[in-house]
Amino acid sequence: IQMTQSPSSLSAYVGDRVTITCRASQSIGTYLSWHQQKPGKAPKLLIYAASSLQSGVPSRFSGRGSGTDFTLTISSLQSEDSATYYCQQSYSHSSEYTFGQGTKLDIE
Amino acid sequence: QVQLVQSGAEVKKPGASMKVSCETSGYTFSDYYVHWLRQAPGQGLEWMGWINPASGGTFYGRKFRGRVTLTSDSSIGTAYLDLTDLRSDDTALYFCARDDWNHPFFDYWGQGTRVTVSS
Repeated sequence: IQMTQSPSSLSAYVGDRVTITCRASQSIGTYLSWHQQKPGKAPKLLIYAASSLQSGVPSRFSGRGSGTDFTLTISSLQSEDSATYYCQQSYSHSSEYTFGQGTKLDIE
Repeated sequence: QVQLVQSGAEVKKPGASMKVSCETSGYTFSDYYVHWLRQAPGQGLEWMGWINPASGGTFYGRKFRGRVTLTSDSSIGTAYLDLTDLRSDDTALYFCARDDWNHPFFDYWGQGTRVTVSS
């Protein structure tokens, strides 16, 4: 299953609302998660099952979608949100997990 | 608290093998799959495979079959990644992460192990 994520990069200001999209090459239901990664660090789970907020993650992060089209929205950007964001499908343990190519978010 | 702690950085020659460990704590080891992933310098995340510590069952990504072996030792809650016949493009940061059959999402990750393959 191929995951196509867009945009590959974006710049925004503190307080802005941004949306990242992810499209799967076939329907994956809601087996979709979003991860945030900062340079040299392990990814951090933000959203699982397409729209559920992982414990401890600020409520300004939200996810939507099902089937093939998904979005991650950050409602009011903070400086610490500067990172690369990845979508990831985990449709089945009997098939390969795959990631989108990532979206690098810069806060100006 | 749940922790996945990986072994330290390695430098390997082309053609050699590597073995990275992922020591877990804070949860029942056999209740969760352990996955391995990697990230080449400046690149995205690439999934390699998983092991089910309860059964020893494994599933590998097509790209890695024949070169990768995942094992685990439930007595010490540790999973291992073996990768053979290393090439320069195996240079990467390697991660372990856990999920389970009913909740297939990586909620905890190891800190990463940098492996450099260079002559």
